[in-house]
Amino acid sequence: ETGVTQTPRHLVMGMTNKKSLKCEQHLGHNAMYWYKQSAKKPLELMFVYSLEERVENNSVPSRFSPECPNSSHLFLHLHTLQPEDSALYLCASSPRGVYNSPLHFGNGTRLTVT
Amino acid sequence: SQELEQSPQSLIVQEGKNLTINCTSSKTLYGLYWYKQKYGEGLIFLMMLQKGGEEKSHEKITAKLDEKKQQSSLHITASQPSHAGIYLCGADRSGGSQGNLIFGKGTKLSVKP
Repeated sequence: ETGVTQTPRHLVMGMTNKKSLKCEQHLGHNAMYWYKQSAKKPLELMFVYSLEERVENNSVPSRFSPECPNSSHLFLHLHTLQPEDSALYLCASSPRGVYNSPLHFGNGTRLTVT
Repeated sequence: SQELEQSPQSLIVQEGKNLTINCTSSKTLYGLYWYKQKYGEGLIFLMMLQKGGEEKSHEKITAKLDEKKQQSSLHITASQPSHAGIYLCGADRSGGSQGNLIFGKGTKLSVKP
């Protein structure tokens, strides 16, 4: 049990579908993150939310749309994705503003776009 | 922009052997994090190093940050099958308080029983 729960664990979707990834943290943290992990590439930071406000968007295409309704929940809404978007999507949380505090990761959603 | 290079990319060792994984940064490290990842799962935090020359140990894993704070090593003593996985180093991009980490590509470790 990592304290950060992601659902679903696996998702297969067509290029015209709309789906959402969900992340929930039970650690009392106030910052949440989306990372993308593709084969043979470093983890890529996608979005950062601090106190429910988006503080970073790392040039992510608009077909990825994050939502943070409260400090415990984070969503990633997906629409008209491309096959190259297939990857492991990892959610993380941390107590933002606490010096050198590590990120706590969920187990990820394995996304396959067909 | 800062980059982290890990070596080797993959490693196969016999159970009981020692091994070392390296992480080299193109810029000074404010904080260096080591994580372990089982295939297809999330990252588990191992250790964090901040000060030049710092060394930390947990069970059979020791991590060091060199004096110039641009390289870190992770050493596993008497490896076991449970050590198998992908080891990733991560660095804070913004001086320690932001939590935005960049990562190396990882080192895949296999331990043969």
